[in-house]
Amino acid sequence: AQSVAQPEDQVNVAEGNPLTVKCTYSVSGNPYLFWYVQYPNRGLQFLLKYITGDNLVKGSYGFEAEFNKSQTSFHLKKPSALVSDSALYFCAGDTMNYGGSQGNLIFGKGTKLSVKP
Amino acid sequence: NAGVTQTPKFRVLKTGQSMTLLCAQDMNHEYMYWYRQDPGMGLRLIHYSVGEGTTAKGEVPDGYNVSRLKKQNFLLGLESAAPSQTSVYFCASDDSRTEAFFGQGTRLTVV
Repeated sequence: AQSVAQPEDQVNVAEGNPLTVKCTYSVSGNPYLFWYVQYPNRGLQFLLKYITGDNLVKGSYGFEAEFNKSQTSFHLKKPSALVSDSALYFCAGDTMNYGGSQGNLIFGKGTKLSVKP
Repeated sequence: NAGVTQTPKFRVLKTGQSMTLLCAQDMNHEYMYWYRQDPGMGLRLIHYSVGEGTTAKGEVPDGYNVSRLKKQNFLLGLESAAPSQTSVYFCASDDSRTEAFFGQGTRLTVV
C-alpha cells in the first residue's frame, strides 16, 4: 500500500538556524512527491514538488527538498529559518504513471515547525 | 479566479442527519479530492475523482458518498452523520501534473 510518513510530530528551531523536516515514502511505482504548508485556520498551500529530474528541488519562500531514492526520503530544508516559517508542514505523495499522477494523493500526518526568535 | 470554493464553511449536525458538502473549482482540473483533517492524523483521503463521472475510494471512505456529475463540482455526502465524522473537511483539485489547490475547509460538528 502507498504511504507517506513524517516521523517527527514537532520540530523546534532557533531563528537563523537551518531547518529540516523529514519525510519518507513508500509507493509502488515512480513517486510524485510534494510539500505543503498550512497556517492556522487555512487550507494547504503548495511549497514544492518532485516529479523527475534533479534530486534537489527548489520551492517557495526559500524552501528546498532533496529526493533520495535509495533512502526513499524527501526531506524539506531551509538554510535559515524565520519566525514566520512556523506552521504545519505536510509531505504528500502519489504514483506517477504515463506522465501523470494516479489521483491517489496521500498525505503524511504533518510536522509542526516552531521557530523561536 | 476563485480557485477551489467549499460550501458551507461551518455546519453543526445532529446524529443521524444528512448533508452534502459542495466543492467547486474553476481551473478545469481533471482530478478532485476530499480529505478530512483530524488532530494528530494529518489529512486522510476520503474519496477522489480522476474525471467527470468517475469516483474512487480513498483511505477512509466509510460513511461517505461522492458524486462528480460535472467536471467542476465534487460533492461529498453524509447519509447519516455520526459524532466520529466531526472534522475539518478539505477539497482539492489538480490536473495530474501540477500541485493540488485546496479550498479553505469546512468545519463540521456532529452532536
